[in-house]
Amino acid sequence: DTAVSQTPKYLVTQMGNDKSIKCEQNLGHDTMYWYKQDSKKFLKIMFSYNNKELIINETVPNRFSPKSPDKAHLNLHINSLELGDSAVYFCASRRGDSPLHFGNGTRLTVT
Amino acid sequence: DAKTTQPTSMDCAEGRAANLPCNHSTISGNEYVYWYRQIHSQGPQYIIHGLKNNETNEMASLIITEDRKSSTLILPHATLRDTAVYYCIVKDNAGKSTFGDGTTLTVKP
Repeated sequence: DTAVSQTPKYLVTQMGNDKSIKCEQNLGHDTMYWYKQDSKKFLKIMFSYNNKELIINETVPNRFSPKSPDKAHLNLHINSLELGDSAVYFCASRRGDSPLHFGNGTRLTVT
Repeated sequence: DAKTTQPTSMDCAEGRAANLPCNHSTISGNEYVYWYRQIHSQGPQYIIHGLKNNETNEMASLIITEDRKSSTLILPHATLRDTAVYYCIVKDNAGKSTFGDGTTLTVKP
């Protein structure tokens, strides 16, 4: 039973396309996150939602738009993909001060 | 910006204890210290966390100094599968858990 699941696991697409990554957690957590890990392996927070409300929005291009239809889901839509968007995107969730639970990542490659 | 500092890399002999230090000198009184690790490109895995007291679980021990400005993660008997990047995190009041560069631990046979 996967706690935090992301789809797809791999995504290869061309520049200029629009794509979405989905995340679901079955832990009953109230806060969900998107992190980006680039080729230098630095994990950077992008967004956070608490009970479907956006609470953290780091300096991310507005081509990235998170959407949380309910507490268990946080999707990431990316418009007009660029080469620099190539990275591994991790979804995570937590309740309060409990530890973060991460998904296994989505490896996005933009060609 | 990460609120913690860690050595870039460490080596440890298989079967020996691995002691990974972390400085968090600006930590607030109610902020927990969390440790995660990332093996290859998998999702970061939670290891342990603590507030003031030392903690132990099936994976590791966490020693927090009395002034809470630093902590040490101890893997009592390191195995080759413990080779990973280890992150020490403090969650800030805005709810962000900012990851720094972490410590790359290499366990050698």
